[in-house]
Amino acid sequence: DTEVTQTPKHLVMGMTNKKSLKCEQHMGHRAMYWYKQKAKKPPELMFVYSYEKLSINESVPSRFSPECPNSSLLNLHLHALQPEDSALYLCASSQAPQRASGRTSTDTQYFGPGTRLTVL
Amino acid sequence: ILNVEQSPQSLHVQEGDSTNFTCSFPSSNFYALHWYRWETAKSPEALFVMTLNGDEKKKGRISATLNTKEGYSYLYIKGSQPEDSATYLCAHRLISNFGNEKLTFGTGTRLTIIP
Repeated sequence: DTEVTQTPKHLVMGMTNKKSLKCEQHMGHRAMYWYKQKAKKPPELMFVYSYEKLSINESVPSRFSPECPNSSLLNLHLHALQPEDSALYLCASSQAPQRASGRTSTDTQYFGPGTRLTVL
Repeated sequence: ILNVEQSPQSLHVQEGDSTNFTCSFPSSNFYALHWYRWETAKSPEALFVMTLNGDEKKKGRISATLNTKEGYSYLYIKGSQPEDSATYLCAHRLISNFGNEKLTFGTGTRLTIIP
């Protein structure tokens, strides 16, 4: 099973709302990622979790708050978003993050189908 | 090359014809090059991970080559079929300062197969 699931598929929210995006995988992966994709642009990395700890934050505004409650789940909490935050949010997971030893060079990131977010 | 660039941006190919497109990436700090196939409303599907200069990988009618010294990879599709219609993304993988992998994506090549 190489499936990464994301809910909801679509989300419309106002600028004062609080909402959350959810991502789940059952492949035993210990690295999970959030990407943001605007129309006609490449996916851009937002956050990386390794072994349930935040390891990379690509200078994302604090109105986006990631959470990794366990090794299978990744959430993205949204608060006070702006219309320009409307985008497709993709979650991905991979087998193992970089370590000093034992890392394979063929780690693939497996992606979910994304949540299409519209901020009004 | 500072970013990952893909060309062409879009491509229309007659069913049965073969086609190819390019991914260009920075040749320094290279770790791996990924290819993904992304159909609308679905998850990006991993096609290949390539690490060695001169690597060639094949999956059915799709193959890819890698030149890490000059910073490019080609994806080839032989005998295109309608189900090949998708956006093909490449992603360049570096080792970040934090020791974790980071993918930098190109904007993709949107392929449409004309029946």
